Amino acid sequence: GAGVSQSPRYKVAKRGQDVALRCDPISGHVSLFWYQQALGQGPEFLTYFQNEAQLDKSGLPSDRFFAERPEGSVSTLKIQRTQQEDSAVYLCASSLFTSSYNEQFFGPGTRLTVL
Amino acid sequence: AQSVTQLGSHVSVSEGALVLLRCNYSSSVPPYLFWYVQYPNQGLQLLLKYTSAATLVKGINGFEAEFKKSETSFHLTKPSAHMSDAAEYFCALGGFKTIFGAGTRLFVKA
Repeated sequence: GAGVSQSPRYKVAKRGQDVALRCDPISGHVSLFWYQQALGQGPEFLTYFQNEAQLDKSGLPSDRFFAERPEGSVSTLKIQRTQQEDSAVYLCASSLFTSSYNEQFFGPGTRLTVL
Repeated sequence: AQSVTQLGSHVSVSEGALVLLRCNYSSSVPPYLFWYVQYPNQGLQLLLKYTSAATLVKGINGFEAEFKKSETSFHLTKPSAHMSDAAEYFCALGGFKTIFGAGTRLFVKA
């Protein structure tokens, strides 16, 4: 496809379950970003990759959150032992290069609800 | 510290009226600024961006924004609102860790 895709679009988890969220960036995009968007808020940075290297993970809220991009393309955000406060929309974005002025292309997001 | 403030979480205008969405930023370095639009259940789409080439930036769908360094502002405007403009708008400060404002929801009344 031409854009960033994410799956699943919706995920309901019971508290304590592990979840895995997938992101397929635009082909050839070097940089990949994950954001968390709480209801009524703007996206907040979680982590980003340049190719397969995770260059910044300072936004991950806890050590229950883990992201990987092993082959420099598809990325997975994993949340272990989910808590209710993890409920949010998780957005993935990619850009051609890593720079402050590059446009990021966003996927539709995965809405996670933790019961 | 870098930050983005969007004044007004909700703005309501009549169809055909001027749209003005306010954004102020704080940055210790020359900023790169963006406006994104988000429609329900969709990802963010870039409207326009400022990268220091020109202070008045024109974007898609008739939107434009003016960078004013003295006011640390980057307000978004559109001369005549259309029903299809109803959405959430985010101002963002570019960087390796892009910083987004809290968003402004635009309502357009018929």
